[in-house]
Amino acid sequence: DAMVIQNPRYQVTQFGKPVTLSCSQTLNHNVMYWYQQKSSQAPKLLFHYYDKDFNNEADTPDNFQSRRPNTSFCFLDIRSPGLGDAAMYLCATSRGPTGGAYEQYFGPGTRLTVT
Amino acid sequence: RKEVEQDPGPFNVPEGATVAFNCTYSNSASQSFFWYRQDCRKEPKLLMSVYSSGNEDGRFTAQLNRASQYISLLIRDSKLSDSATYLCVVNGRRDDKIIFGKGTRLHILP
Repeated sequence: DAMVIQNPRYQVTQFGKPVTLSCSQTLNHNVMYWYQQKSSQAPKLLFHYYDKDFNNEADTPDNFQSRRPNTSFCFLDIRSPGLGDAAMYLCATSRGPTGGAYEQYFGPGTRLTVT
Repeated sequence: RKEVEQDPGPFNVPEGATVAFNCTYSNSASQSFFWYRQDCRKEPKLLMSVYSSGNEDGRFTAQLNRASQYISLLIRDSKLSDSATYLCVVNGRRDDKIIFGKGTRLHILP
């Protein structure tokens, strides 16, 4: 089945120790998104790629970086995780650009714990 | 006014009842609207898109009211498995940002 896959599902890292989360998709969608979601809050968009074009949200901390080496894969790098970065990180894809009638498909998420 | 607002609930509804909740949005230029369902500690899953003419999928009906700037979701004959958080998503024009509501929690009671 075509899908969005995230690895790992659970990640524990130490304060300040860099961590990379990965996302892959078999939907061949142009757009890939990274969201951060904390308990009882809406998903917060960090950035997205439209093909190779990177779009950073204005309020995304510099501590968060992303790479998209090809259509199928996208990575979220957290350079120096703080306790406040503990959250669920959701990857999503869509066929077309933000805006418009393109629904998003989400991966199962990576739950990050910072100790 | 917040960009997208939802009543956080929880809505506690007996099994078999009908429940409805709304989502209001502030940007009159918003183009596309969706309802997602999110189970506890899981990812959001698309429930339905909301079309101008409204749409229905089984027990679920979504409506758009552009004049009053809200969308609604109606669930008929509610099941225990409908218990979840329902997220409203609003898209602006092309390349505009996507706005998520904080969600409405629904508990279906046996």
